[in-house]
Amino acid sequence: NAGVMQNPRHLVRRRGQEARLRCSPMKGHSHVYWYRQLPEEGLKFMVYLQKENIIDESGMPKERFSAEFPKEGPSILRIQQVVRGDSAAYFCASSPSEGSRHSPLHFGNGTRLTVT
Amino acid sequence: GDSVTQMEGPVTLSEEAFLTINCTYTATGYPSLFWYVQYPGEGLQLLLKATKADDKGSNKGFEATYRKETTSFHLEKGSVQVSDSAVYFCALKSSGGGADGLTFGKGTHLIIQP
Repeated sequence: NAGVMQNPRHLVRRRGQEARLRCSPMKGHSHVYWYRQLPEEGLKFMVYLQKENIIDESGMPKERFSAEFPKEGPSILRIQQVVRGDSAAYFCASSPSEGSRHSPLHFGNGTRLTVT
Repeated sequence: GDSVTQMEGPVTLSEEAFLTINCTYTATGYPSLFWYVQYPGEGLQLLLKATKADDKGSNKGFEATYRKETTSFHLEKGSVQVSDSAVYFCALKSSGGGADGLTFGKGTHLIIQP
């Protein structure tokens, strides 16, 4: 019973390159959340998606960042033209349904992005 | 908006000491409250939760009681072990469901010395 799977675990990019982070939610989960964790800080919400829909992207920077959750395949967080300030751990979480305040989120192990 | 405040770390204790990590929150309505734990190099794991006032969540010797009157959800453990060393996050989910999932505190780094 696989949990939330994220890959790669570690990603190194040079400034100006693109970073693509993948997340496969738990089986049966149709809601995906992306969070960013900067060193010595908590988790900051970025975006919430359901299959083929972005529900809330209020935490996502307006430029260079995008996310998708296609009908088939994993959710993708894409960062274009990366800068050093994008270096962080990016966590994906999933849940079976939104609207239930009792449902915890299940987290993946994260992708640690380093921009050189 | 919703917010969670936790005591700042690092918190350093000796093995078998009593642990308290304070957490208070601000939210509209009646949120659910959670504690997550993050071990080095890993993602967050749900430790315990409480969904209504006076509920006590417990797991692996950790406990936290949902106190509506003080808007608190302090984490406690009677006797900590070296293996409890990790970062602990308090979080809430508002009663409206909330498209943004969970609101997290900044985390408390716990270090247990043998």
